[in-house]
Amino acid sequence: DAGVTQSPTHLIKTRGQHVTLRCSPISGHKSVSWYQQVLGQGPQFIFQYYEKEERGRGNFPDRFSARQFPNYSSELNVNALLLGDSALYLCASRLANSYNEQFFGPGTRLTVL
Amino acid sequence: GENVEQHPSTLSVQEGDSAVIKCTYSDSASNYFPWYKQELGKRPQLIIDIRSNVGEKKDQRIAVTLNKTAKHFSLHITETQPEDSAVYFCAASRLTGGGNKLTFGTGTQLKVEL
Repeated sequence: DAGVTQSPTHLIKTRGQHVTLRCSPISGHKSVSWYQQVLGQGPQFIFQYYEKEERGRGNFPDRFSARQFPNYSSELNVNALLLGDSALYLCASRLANSYNEQFFGPGTRLTVL
Repeated sequence: GENVEQHPSTLSVQEGDSAVIKCTYSDSASNYFPWYKQELGKRPQLIIDIRSNVGEKKDQRIAVTLNKTAKHFSLHITETQPEDSAVYFCAASRLTGGGNKLTFGTGTQLKVEL
């Protein structure tokens, strides 16, 4: 079985640009969460989606948005990129809202110059 | 919101020794406590977890203990091996109808020396 997949693996952008990151959850998993991991720190929660609805939002500015598609894949969008947005963006999938275990994808390494 | 503190930030042990990493949490409603291992450049991997209705859980060389009254939980690794070297993160969450976000600690860099 394939695990959580994310694309692209790496991305380099300049300040002010926009970026879209993609995530495919484990087959059968309906919940997707996004986390930002700055170097040397633990992951920080950005969004959670379940059945295409936003179920949770972390303390991130409105420049960050996300959505979930009917096939349960998800996109994270970040507008007006800042240098401080440089981080590893992790997607985690969960079977359903009633399950605790979250499994992470390999992440997308975003560098903002 | 939830706040998770983790200690120590770095831990160096000799191969075969035990390692203990401790975390405290602030939200008494948290009821799920996973531990993740993250090797350099790789994804966090769930290694063990514990729910609030259990005080201890063991899986081979790894064990986790939970003290709900004191709001702290710990990871114990026995007979450490070089491949245990990684960054370990504790996390806390509470399952609600709206979902459950994980709040992570700051991580512990474990180094197992030969």
